[in-house]
Amino acid sequence: KAGVTQTPRYLIKTRGQQVTLSCSPISGHRSVSWYQQTPGQGLQFLFEYFSETQRNKGNFPGRFSGRQFSNSRSEMNVSTLELGDSALYLCASSSTVTDTQYFGPGTRLTVL
Amino acid sequence: AQSVAQPEDQVNVAEGNPLTVKCTYSVSGNPYLFWYVQYPNRGLQFLLKYITGDNLVKGSYGFEAEFNKSQTSFHLKKPSALVSDSALYFCAVRAVQYGNNRLAFGKGNQVVVIP
Repeated sequence: KAGVTQTPRYLIKTRGQQVTLSCSPISGHRSVSWYQQTPGQGLQFLFEYFSETQRNKGNFPGRFSGRQFSNSRSEMNVSTLELGDSALYLCASSSTVTDTQYFGPGTRLTVL
Repeated sequence: AQSVAQPEDQVNVAEGNPLTVKCTYSVSGNPYLFWYVQYPNRGLQFLLKYITGDNLVKGSYGFEAEFNKSQTSFHLKKPSALVSDSALYFCAVRAVQYGNNRLAFGKGNQVVVIP
């Protein structure tokens, strides 16, 4: 099976812009979770989608949002970008059979 | 709330020596515990997990971990380290709860295996 894929792999944006990141889960996986990784804060949970519904949400401002489509693909959007949003954004998928989250390679976002 | 502590920033070990990476956790109720490894500019790669059953869990690439409920620990071990094991290792926990897929990660341990 193909693994979790994320596009794009790298992004450079300026403050105030918005950005959309995409995640395609492993075939058959209906849960998609997003995490932010920074040197200072480590790995932090953003949100999880299951069957097109947000099931869990972390402690991030409303500028961070997401959605999931009927084919389980997910997108994450960050509006009004700030310098502190520079991070590696990781997507993970899991199925109802396995309790394991499998991660994609991440999208490296740099905000200038 | 759920949280993980990985007390050491970096673990240095000589090639061929045993490797141990420490992890303690806090969670309400029973835990699901995981270890992931991250190589530079890559995502997280799953190594092993504890769900239930035997306290000693075996995973990929010769790694194993021991679940100790009384000490709330889940230390990662490898009997003989390789240079290629040099990477960043993360311990993660989540509560056993339907509909909860939220992982809490430790800060990570940089493992350096010295040839």
